[in-house]
Amino acid sequence: KNEVEQSPQNLTAQEGEFITINCSYSVGISALHWLQQHPGGGIVSLFMLSSGKKKHGRLIATINIQEKHSSLHITASHPRDSAVYICAVRSTVSWGKLQFGAGTQVVVTP
Amino acid sequence: GAVVSQHPSWVICKSGTSVKIECRSLDFQATTMFWYRQFPKQSLMLMATSNEGSKATYEQGVEKDKFLINHASLTLSTLTVTSAHPEDSSFYICSARARAGNQPQHFGDGTRLSIL
Repeated sequence: KNEVEQSPQNLTAQEGEFITINCSYSVGISALHWLQQHPGGGIVSLFMLSSGKKKHGRLIATINIQEKHSSLHITASHPRDSAVYICAVRSTVSWGKLQFGAGTQVVVTP
Repeated sequence: GAVVSQHPSWVICKSGTSVKIECRSLDFQATTMFWYRQFPKQSLMLMATSNEGSKATYEQGVEKDKFLINHASLTLSTLTVTSAHPEDSSFYICSARARAGNQPQHFGDGTRLSIL
């Protein structure tokens, strides 16, 4: 069983819709990353969280340490948001290595 | 802008060739660099972790003589795929993290390696 679970696996939205991606993990962590991978393969680190909430433009990330759960929200989605979104945690017992969720494929249609 | 630069972005070469991939941190000192491999539609798989000035730590099942990692400076790590074969064809991504505290991990754009 993967220690980092993401849902949904796939998501299609119409332009302008609000999107939420969820991530649950079962290990103690020092930080959680939300990553974005475009079709070309490059990965961008969107957020690193250890508590609370962060906002950058139309993206919002929240984390609840007690519930071991994080969400990534995309407001007013746009076709350029189409990508794979990956949740990754830095556990307290893995020598600083990241453990990755399986990713959520997001497609935003015009 | 990119804080980790990976080069080349695409390599096509014949079986038996050795291929070197470079990973540079552009505006910070990367005391730790990670090398990942990714198969289509799958998540990143950690191959090895390297700390500047010391030998890389390889994950179970990764051949250290096949995938040579050098992290000779705080801004550069290289991965050399020695005597590459078609089964080594994959997408390789590096990532770097600075020394102090709970720092974010930054990723390169990846290298798509195709061995004929």
